[in-house]
Amino acid sequence: DGGITQSPKYLFRKEGQNVTLSCEQNLNHDAMYWYRQDPGQGLRLIYYSQIVNDFQKGDIAEGYSVSREKKESFPLTVTSAQKNPTAFYLCASSLGPQGNTEAFFGQGTRLTVV
Amino acid sequence: KQEVTQIPAALSVPEGENLVLNCSFTDSAIYNLQWFRQDPGKGLTSLLLIQSSQREQTSGRLNASLDKSSGRSTLYIAASQPGDSATYLCATTSYNNNDMRFGAGTRLTVKP
Repeated sequence: DGGITQSPKYLFRKEGQNVTLSCEQNLNHDAMYWYRQDPGQGLRLIYYSQIVNDFQKGDIAEGYSVSREKKESFPLTVTSAQKNPTAFYLCASSLGPQGNTEAFFGQGTRLTVV
Repeated sequence: KQEVTQIPAALSVPEGENLVLNCSFTDSAIYNLQWFRQDPGKGLTSLLLIQSSQREQTSGRLNASLDKSSGRSTLYIAASQPGDSATYLCATTSYNNNDMRFGAGTRLTVKP
């Protein structure tokens, strides 16, 4: 089945630890995005990538890092520098880079700091 | 930076009503505008995509319009059903830097 897969669904992090959230797509999409969603709020853009080996910061990139070594994969690392990481994280992809196509989302990863 | 606003933040209607959700944006240099549905604790499901050159798109009971010059889009839901209860979000993809930005959403409740 074609689609976009996020893993794990739930993730628990201790204070001071780095954690990596996985996002994989088999849609042959060039563009990929990471968003953070806090309760009752909309989606805020963390990072996005229009092509392999290239990515741009969104509005809230501090404390996060990404890589885009393969077209299919866009992992997000939440570092210990992110002071309030508890949130719902969503990954999306679209055909891009012109952006003139439909975007698809994964089912999200819920990260909790314990 | 593109700012996307959705009004109202929440809406409760009886089953069978027709309703309109509103989305406004500040920068009209967009490739497209997309409407999504989100159920609690889930990812987003794409409902309709309107390209910048289009005025509207329809899918079943849903109709979305786009007026780029005024920075507005509406999502019209006909004959609402309890299964339509969800949060509806709109997003624009910017022509200048290809980022996709969202409104805060409208939480819809359709009462049986």
